[in-house]
Amino acid sequence: AQSVTQLGSHVSVSEGALVLLRCNYSSSVPPYLFWYVQYPNQGLQLLLKYTTGATLVKGINGFEAEFKKSETSFHLTKPSAHMSDAAEYFCAVSATPRNAGGTSYGKLTFGQGTILTVHP
Amino acid sequence: EAGVVQSPRYKIIEKKQPVAFWCNPISGHNTLYWYLQNLGQGPELLIRYENEEAVDDSQLPKDRFSAERLKGVDSTLKIQPAELGDSAVYLCASSFSLAGGFTDTQYFGPGTRLTVL
Repeated sequence: AQSVTQLGSHVSVSEGALVLLRCNYSSSVPPYLFWYVQYPNQGLQLLLKYTTGATLVKGINGFEAEFKKSETSFHLTKPSAHMSDAAEYFCAVSATPRNAGGTSYGKLTFGQGTILTVHP
Repeated sequence: EAGVVQSPRYKIIEKKQPVAFWCNPISGHNTLYWYLQNLGQGPELLIRYENEEAVDDSQLPKDRFSAERLKGVDSTLKIQPAELGDSAVYLCASSFSLAGGFTDTQYFGPGTRLTVL
């Protein structure tokens, strides 16, 4: 079974500071990895995803994440925080087509989320 | 292009009452998902449809929850009777899937926030 752990349910940064949101996964084989953002009273929006290829993935709004197989991590970063980045961020995993059994491919397993606060 | 549409956005009911949520996926998306999101938690999959077929309903509490996607487009999720613990946000998502397992990005609707009193 796959699982996701997001370290820190709340992260607070100053505007212009580095944003680092941590995500570790547990999976017997490397999965696909995702970061979603959720603004208040809205659905989840995909920030970026890793499937294959380059392990450093760039997403929308200046975010990027690096897949580190040896550390089973997929941390999300942004060099300079903006007030509009304040939201809740979710890391998620899914099985790859090669490793999925039965109906499990496409199923997203989410972490518990990290609320990002940005101070002026 | 319109996104995933859900209605209602908010619903308040008393316990033991029935409730239904509706979802219209993005045009052309053959796969539809219902997720449950409790306060302070990440979404959890309830049921996944590929066209009209429920291919994964292992997490759906079938004693009180039911879902349908009769024509392979929009879907309805029902709870009967509702319990206090059902208060949560119910999210619908859709994606495009090919035979053989490829599933594209899941796009989420705004959700329905259910409050059971």
